[in-house]
Amino acid sequence: ETGVTQSPTHLIKTRGQQVTLRCSSQSGHNTVSWYQQALGQGPQFIFQYYREEENGRGNFPPRFSGLQFPNYSSELNVNALELDDSALYLCATLGTSGGDTDTQYFGPGTRLTVL
Amino acid sequence: AQSVTQLGSHVSVSEGALVLLRCNYSSSVPPYLFWYVQYPNQGLQLLLKYTSAATLVKGINGFEAEFKKSETSFHLTKPSAHMSDAAEYFCAVSLYGNNRLAFGKGNQVVVIP
Repeated sequence: ETGVTQSPTHLIKTRGQQVTLRCSSQSGHNTVSWYQQALGQGPQFIFQYYREEENGRGNFPPRFSGLQFPNYSSELNVNALELDDSALYLCATLGTSGGDTDTQYFGPGTRLTVL
Repeated sequence: AQSVTQLGSHVSVSEGALVLLRCNYSSSVPPYLFWYVQYPNQGLQLLLKYTSAATLVKGINGFEAEFKKSETSFHLTKPSAHMSDAAEYFCAVSLYGNNRLAFGKGNQVVVIP
């Protein structure tokens, strides 16, 4: 049990629509990262937030955006959905204990299907 | 930039046989290395990690991995496969301080009774 939860579990949208995915973690997890995992592939880093500010972005266009809130929850927003956005979206937080702050712990993911 | 190579997308192993999954990394500075496991329709679970301490790392479920700088490798092994080991395994690398993981394409492990 990582203490990281994501909602919804599954989501179906149509091309051109917008979507918001949510991630919650336990108190103290002030760094959150989002990853996209296409079918049959390894996860790809989208971006990371630290203390409510974006702190690094992977090779994703600006229509992928995020927010982090003071209660340690986070959102991933995707505008103008494309078919290739269909994937499992994972959020991850860093461990908070002494020997664990270099390790990312993942939530169960949100499966997004774009039709 | 760092990257990871995992060869052989599908790996079949007999129950009770050795599990060996290969991972080679590319990094301009000493990396942190991780192995994660993913069961169907689930997120990623950490198996083990190397963060510049002991080069032989033991993880959960009887898995271990050895960091070999000269070979830029971090291969995952388990002496005796169990049916419950059937899953997808990902090797990942990050650089100290940036906590952003670069993943390999994964190995789908099938355990044959």
